[in-house]
Amino acid sequence: GESVGLHLPTLSVQEGDNSIINCAYSNSASDYFIWYKQESGKGPQFIIDIRSNMDKRQGQRVTVLLNKTVKHLSLQIAATQPGDSAVYFCAERMNTGFQKLVFGTGTRLLVSP
Amino acid sequence: ETGVTQTPRHLVMGMTNKKSLKCEQHLGHNAMYWYKQSAKKPLELMFVYSLEERVENNSVPSRFSPECPNSSHLFLHLHTLQPEDSALYLCASSGRYNEQFFGPGTRLTVL
Repeated sequence: GESVGLHLPTLSVQEGDNSIINCAYSNSASDYFIWYKQESGKGPQFIIDIRSNMDKRQGQRVTVLLNKTVKHLSLQIAATQPGDSAVYFCAERMNTGFQKLVFGTGTRLLVSP
Repeated sequence: ETGVTQTPRHLVMGMTNKKSLKCEQHLGHNAMYWYKQSAKKPLELMFVYSLEERVENNSVPSRFSPECPNSSHLFLHLHTLQPEDSALYLCASSGRYNEQFFGPGTRLTVL
């Protein structure tokens, strides 16, 4: 069935480095993707989204890349800061029936000072 | 914090208790959602309301009963829960493109 998966459960980086978090999706009918950040004890926070008619979108220190050929999504965080430490997960919206989101399990980003 | 609030933030209840979770959104959205988040599992969609009508019930046991009295409020009524129902319950609302915004969640523990 449809699924959203993440390549790495934990990513450790040094402060100031760039981070790349990856996500694979399996539903070619998905037309919209979102990255969320979830800090301990908090609900998921919307970071950035991208529609399937785009392959790149930039926000403040974050960039999302979409490769529909291999069904791959990535989140790039520039100059990673300790405050970026959290679980990040992607979600895809399947454009079939009611347009609900399917979420991945998440990648934990650990930023060392 | 987003424009979605949830109360209570923490709840401990026995298996015979009845309690309710409350969600309120101040974003002018028309759709609201209940999710269950357990350790090491993806978010599990439970219920979806669009324009105050339930459009999705994702095979959730009847001991969970949602209520959406208007587009800004969503409740989850709980009764005779099981210990395996212990989890973080998240409410979300969405706008036109289904960009969902989440509340802080209610941490539920069933004894």
